[in-house]
Amino acid sequence: GENVEQHPSTLSVQEGDSAVIKCTYSDSASNYFPWYKQELGKRPQLIIDIRSNVGEKKDQRIAVTLNKTAKHFSLHITETQPEDSAVYFCAAYGPTYDKVIFGPGTSLSVIP
Amino acid sequence: KAGVTQTPRYLIKTRGQQVTLSCSPISGHRSVSWYQQTPGQGLQFLFEYFSETQRNKGNFPGRFSGRQFSNSRSEMNVSTLELGDSALYLCASSLGLGGETQYFGPGTRLLVL
Repeated sequence: GENVEQHPSTLSVQEGDSAVIKCTYSDSASNYFPWYKQELGKRPQLIIDIRSNVGEKKDQRIAVTLNKTAKHFSLHITETQPEDSAVYFCAAYGPTYDKVIFGPGTSLSVIP
Repeated sequence: KAGVTQTPRYLIKTRGQQVTLSCSPISGHRSVSWYQQTPGQGLQFLFEYFSETQRNKGNFPGRFSGRQFSNSRSEMNVSTLELGDSALYLCASSLGLGGETQYFGPGTRLLVL
């Protein structure tokens, strides 16, 4: 069946460095890819998303890139700060938004 | 606007019992989705409701069911609880369908003993 792989499962970076998380999806018809941030004990929050007709999207220190041919999309966080420490989930939606599959999550730790 | 709310926040049940969880979406939002979050399986989609109709369903057994009321509030029910049903149950609301931004509630943490 369809699945979404996410790597790495854990990531530790020094404050100020960049962090990159990559997700690979199996359903080539997927067309909407959101990223969520979940801090410990809190609810997931959408931080950025991208649709299949766009290759890259940026919002301040956060960017997402999509490679439809290779079926992968990546989250890029620049100038990381301790408050970026959280679990990040990627997700892929089907073409009619009738199903969504989440990646297993990446635990990001930013060391001051 | 008030955010998505879920009740109860914590629940302890025993095997074989049933449970009903409630979700109140953001005012004006008509779509409510439910997710199960566990350390081992991550976030998994349960079902989505829009205008009182179940639009989509994930790969969960029939013991998991839900409904949506005319005011967009939603409930999910789990019958004949199993130990493996212990999880954080999250609901999320959005204005409509089509990949619109989902806003998550705080979740209901269910423990099955």
